[in-house]
Parts: sequence; structure tokens; C-alpha cells
Amino acid sequence: DIVMTQSPDSLAVSLGERATINCKSSQSVLYSSDNRNYFFAWYQQKPGQPPKLLIRGASTRESGVPDRFSGSGSGTDFTLTISSLQTEDVAVYYCQQYYSNPYTFGQGTKLEIK
Amino acid sequence: EVQLVESGGGLVKPGGSLTLSCAASGFTFSNSWMNWVRQAPGKGLEWVGHIKRNLDGATTDFAAPVKGRFTISRDDSKNMLYLQMNSLKTEDTAMYYCTRNTPDDLWGQGALVTVSS
Repeated sequence: DIVMTQSPDSLAVSLGERATINCKSSQSVLYSSDNRNYFFAWYQQKPGQPPKLLIRGASTRESGVPDRFSGSGSGTDFTLTISSLQTEDVAVYYCQQYYSNPYTFGQGTKLEIK
Repeated sequence: EVQLVESGGGLVKPGGSLTLSCAASGFTFSNSWMNWVRQAPGKGLEWVGHIKRNLDGATTDFAAPVKGRFTISRDDSKNMLYLQMNSLKTEDTAMYYCTRNTPDDLWGQGALVTVSS
């Protein structure tokens, strides 16, 4: 199984500041046909709600996701960046690989306001 | 409205069985691969398994902890997804989410399954 490891486990950032969450996969999740398509996603889960897909393919935002959210990375290292933290961004964030089943998730990163 | 609605959760004794249902609406269910993802209380997300669309053979895959005990099926005529859970263990206690596609672009609100004596 591909192991997904997120860092940090929790993070406190001031309103308007940048938040950065990292995720490392134990093996490549690159779909090799075009060398650019990563089978990697980010989700946001607010308290009492189901998760919501934010980013697919490592860097493609879903429709309606604010552009302060961005995804990047290559190889086995990926990053979710929130450029200017808002109160509504308080949540737990998960990464996921969907390259091979089981489609494993990271352990989650809890993001709070400092 | 595009949505998934789970039902059938509840309290069951260890060794017992339970079937969850997921009603899909607002999209072409028959064209979608469907998944079950669970979340133990206060814990992270765990992929349980999926079923491909009928065009792809409607085959299923499962995570190791549930393989041989859980079954996923679908009824495209009713836009329904099912999760049959047998030989339940206390560690199966979780919120079970029905989701669409890979990655999971649509989630239901979840059905809580508690396995306890």
C-alpha cells in the first residue's frame, strides 16, 4: 500500500497569513503517460461535515474553490498552500493518492487560527 | 440537486451484520464509479472499497481490513448503492460515507455504524 504522511499534524496561523501543509507519498503517484498528471488530491473537512474535494491532479482546483487555495508538488512531495488564511478555512485537511487501491489518505492536518 | 444520502446505520453487536444504502440523485449514477469511505470517531479517513460502473464490469475492490466481510453492490435502475457488512468488529465503528468517482468529488452526510456489545 502507498503510505501518505502529512506534516505538520496541526498548525496555527494568523488571519491573513500563509498556511502551508505538506504531504509525502511512499512511492510515486505520477500517471506516466504525460509525465504531468499526478493521481493526488487534497480535501477539507470542517467540524461536523463530510470532507470536500479541493484539489485534484495535485494542482487543479475544483469549481468554486477560492483561488487562495493552491496545490503544488512533484515526485513524492506535495504542498497545499492557503495564501491568506480566512476564518472559514479552519478545518482538517487530508491528502489522498488515487494512483492505486487502496486509495490511501494522509493522517490529516488540523488548521487553526493563531 | 446533486446529492448522496446514506441510510441504514445503527448499533449492532460484534459478529453481526448491517446493510447501508446510499441514494443518489441529480447526476447520471450509472456512469459513476462509487465508493465507501469511513471515519472512526475522532480519527482520519479510510477508503473502504469501490464498485466500478456496469460498463467497466461493475467489479469491486476492498481495503484489506474489510475484504471478505464487506460487499458492495449497485442498482442503477434505482440509483442506489449498497454496503453489506458481515462479521462486524468493534473496530468497524465509524461514520460511513458514500462518495462518487475517484477522486471523491461528491460526499454524502454519512451513516454512523456502532459495533458494541
